[in-house]
Amino acid sequence: RKEVEQDPGPFNVPEGATVAFNCTYSNSASQSFFWYRQDCRKEPKLLMSVYSSGNEDGRFTAQLNRASQYISLLIRDSKLSDSATYLCVVNYHNNDMRFGAGTRLTVKP
Amino acid sequence: DGGITQSPKYLFRKEGQNVTLSCEQNLNHDAMYWYRQDPGQGLRLIYYSQIVNDFQKGDIAEGYSVSREKKESFPLTVTSAQKNPTAFYLCASSSGQGAYTEAFFGQGTRLTVV
Repeated sequence: RKEVEQDPGPFNVPEGATVAFNCTYSNSASQSFFWYRQDCRKEPKLLMSVYSSGNEDGRFTAQLNRASQYISLLIRDSKLSDSATYLCVVNYHNNDMRFGAGTRLTVKP
Repeated sequence: DGGITQSPKYLFRKEGQNVTLSCEQNLNHDAMYWYRQDPGQGLRLIYYSQIVNDFQKGDIAEGYSVSREKKESFPLTVTSAQKNPTAFYLCASSSGQGAYTEAFFGQGTRLTVV
């Protein structure tokens, strides 16, 4: 079993749609969680951290469920510029950062 | 400007040759990482280092070696023992202090075996 697993995708949605991604992790000792965005042939960049209480940044909402060991990312009112691959990241206590395989999102006009 | 720099951006290697990828950061970060990404795949951890003169293997360390002699530098050597080295290699760093520390990435090195 992979340490970090994500929805396989790809997700193809129209502009304005709401889309949700899920990610599960296997190590219950995981300390911190993130969503990164990666554009084609570029390096990943931090989209947002995922806190225990859940957090929101504009159209993006991230949630964490430690009991079920999953995190989620919700994107509301999708824009063309949201098209990218979204990577789930789990950080263990010793700075061992593991990435999911990524979920590819295409937003169409 | 502060950041993390990888070089070269593109690298071609003949089969059987060792090659070293450079990663330098001036962010004063303690932790540094090397990942490999294959087309359409996520990032797989090769090695990481929490502090100078210390490093740990990730999931796919076989055929790779690293050193951490200076805080700002974490070079990766792809040896001839790595049977399928063609990939996109990404170096990252983080402060390593506290749980929610962001990892910053270099722009990557695309290695092709010819």
